[in-house]
Amino acid sequence: DQQVKQNSPSLSVQEGRISILNCDYTNSMFDYFLWYKKYPAEGPTFLISISSIKDKNEDGRFTVFLNKSAKHLSLHIVPSQPGDSAVYFCAASARGSGTYKYIFGTGTRLKVLA
Amino acid sequence: NAGVTQTPKFQVLKTGQSMTLQCAQDMNHEYMSWYRQDPGMGLRLIHYSVGAGITDQGEVPNGYNVSRSTTEDFPLRLLSAAPSQTSVYFCASRVGRATEAFFGQGTRLTVV
Repeated sequence: DQQVKQNSPSLSVQEGRISILNCDYTNSMFDYFLWYKKYPAEGPTFLISISSIKDKNEDGRFTVFLNKSAKHLSLHIVPSQPGDSAVYFCAASARGSGTYKYIFGTGTRLKVLA
Repeated sequence: NAGVTQTPKFQVLKTGQSMTLQCAQDMNHEYMSWYRQDPGMGLRLIHYSVGAGITDQGEVPNGYNVSRSTTEDFPLRLLSAAPSQTSVYFCASRVGRATEAFFGQGTRLTVV
């Protein structure tokens, strides 16, 4: 049972345009969400996070939006750069039991075309 | 400040062999986790720990053991390696519940 889903395995975007990566979740107890970027042969690196008390969080070119009623979050990258080409994972953490676990999605491979 | 250090980076095992993947962090983080990454499966949680002496199972714990005798170290033991355990393994640590996790560089394990 996949609690965190990234339904798009891959995405291609032109340099300078907006990249939108999506993530859906099923567990209504999730209250903290993160996005990670992963380059080949490296460990994932943290990008941005959001708590369920907010619906938006920005950090430079990266913005995460959270829609709790739809159980959906998205990562916007504007403008996209070739160095953004990587695999992006969303992750979620639940309050209550299981609060110590971060559950990850299956990832979306972003390719930014120069 | 080294962050999260995993050793070895690469390993080939024969079916039935045992081995320990090492993970050490120098950030005094209480929370540590092990994940495996497989194509199309994302990062799946194997075991995690919320402090020295405390461990618990994640999503895919079968075939793996962990212990946490110190804050710094969180080794992952494969008891009897199977080809299904061929994967890339990542160790992560973080300071608290809703905080960013820092990952090691990974261990690529092949079981033949």
